Amino acid sequence: EAQVTQNPRYLITVTGKKLTVTCSQNMNHEYMSWYRQDPGLGLRQIYYSMNVEVTDKGDVPEGYKVSRKEKRNFPLILESPSPNQTSLYFCASSLTRDTGELFFGEGSRLTVL
Amino acid sequence: AQSVTQLGSHVSVSEGALVLLRCNYSSSVPPYLFWYVQYPNQGLQLLLKYTTGATLVKGINGFEAEFKKSETSFHLTKPSAHMSDAAEYFCAVSEGFQKLVFGTGTRLLVSP
Repeated sequence: EAQVTQNPRYLITVTGKKLTVTCSQNMNHEYMSWYRQDPGLGLRQIYYSMNVEVTDKGDVPEGYKVSRKEKRNFPLILESPSPNQTSLYFCASSLTRDTGELFFGEGSRLTVL
Repeated sequence: AQSVTQLGSHVSVSEGALVLLRCNYSSSVPPYLFWYVQYPNQGLQLLLKYTTGATLVKGINGFEAEFKKSETSFHLTKPSAHMSDAAEYFCAVSEGFQKLVFGTGTRLLVSP
């Protein structure tokens, strides 16, 4: 089954404790990205990757890091989480470059105390 | 920069009634436009998309949307609402390089 898998789905952590949200896709997609969803703000792009070892900032990259060492994986790293990073995070992938047809994971709800 | 405006954060309809969710966009280039649906505790899934060609596009679950360049709109409609349509709907415009600019979403409530 074609899917984008995120882990963990739910996480409560404390300020400053480094965490990683993993994302893996099994569709051989070249393009992957991370979004955060906040009430009243819709989805905003954090980072995206056009291929292995190629990443770039989205609209709200502050406080986040990413890496793309393998085509299928695109982890999101919060080096020192803060309460304003409490949000619902989505990983997405796409086969095509420009059409914007994204396949989304089920989301990771992160709470930073 | 491109942007999307969705009018109404909540829309309530009765089962069997017409569904109309509004979306207006701004873009300096011909846009690609999308509607995504998000069911509770799930990720977003593509409902339909407009890239080029026919301006009336049909999607899954009986939804359709019409691209109107003169009105910079891409409203989503369904002739008859079903209880299972209750979800949050997002309009989005593509800026290329896989980046989508999303609207703030409209929650559709369907009552019996």
